Amino acid sequence: GAGVSQSPSNKVTEKGKDVELRCDPISGHTALYWYRQSLGQGLEFLIYFQGNSAPDKSGLPSDRFSAERTGGSVSTLTIQRTQQEDSAVYLCASSLVEGPNSPLHFGNGTRLTVT
Amino acid sequence: GDSVTQMEGPVTLSEEAFLTINCTYTATGYPSLFWYVQYPGEGLQLLLKATKADDKGSNKGFEATYRKETTSFHLEKGSVQVSDSAVYFCASFSGYSTLTFGKGTMLLVSP
Repeated sequence: GAGVSQSPSNKVTEKGKDVELRCDPISGHTALYWYRQSLGQGLEFLIYFQGNSAPDKSGLPSDRFSAERTGGSVSTLTIQRTQQEDSAVYLCASSLVEGPNSPLHFGNGTRLTVT
Repeated sequence: GDSVTQMEGPVTLSEEAFLTINCTYTATGYPSLFWYVQYPGEGLQLLLKATKADDKGSNKGFEATYRKETTSFHLEKGSVQVSDSAVYFCASFSGYSTLTFGKGTMLLVSP
């Protein structure tokens, strides 16, 4: 069956440009999460969706970062005016429902490089 | 908020050696605890979990026991294989929004 799909798999952009990262969760999964994986920093939580609303966006590092989810399905993470410190692997995960008994299923991530 | 601390890697072992990767947590209340694994070129996947104190999670020969008294969830395997080479992440979940991860420990197993 289809897992979590993220696109693009790699993105190279110039400093100052905007980028959009896409996540297609597993069909029927109501919860969707964005994490950032940087070298030596582990996984950093960014934002969480339940349906189309974001109860917790506390991990977004600045107002250059935003995310939306439509139709309870696809989510887009947008980074405006990218900076070199935004370079990382951005991971999306979905789960059937929220809560500890519903494991997260991760995509393979989008590797963002800001030059 | 929650935090998870795990031993730094890389951990380098020979095939059939015994593995321990230490993980400790701080959390409000009693979190659920997880180990996720990231094989080269693949996404993270759940390896095992434990939802209450003294529970033991196990999968693929790996085990971890939820120790409330030491706030630990160490990962163990009696005999590692080359195919176990991966990055292992310990994580806790005490709310309904976020899974908090440790920084990951790379395991390298040589034949």
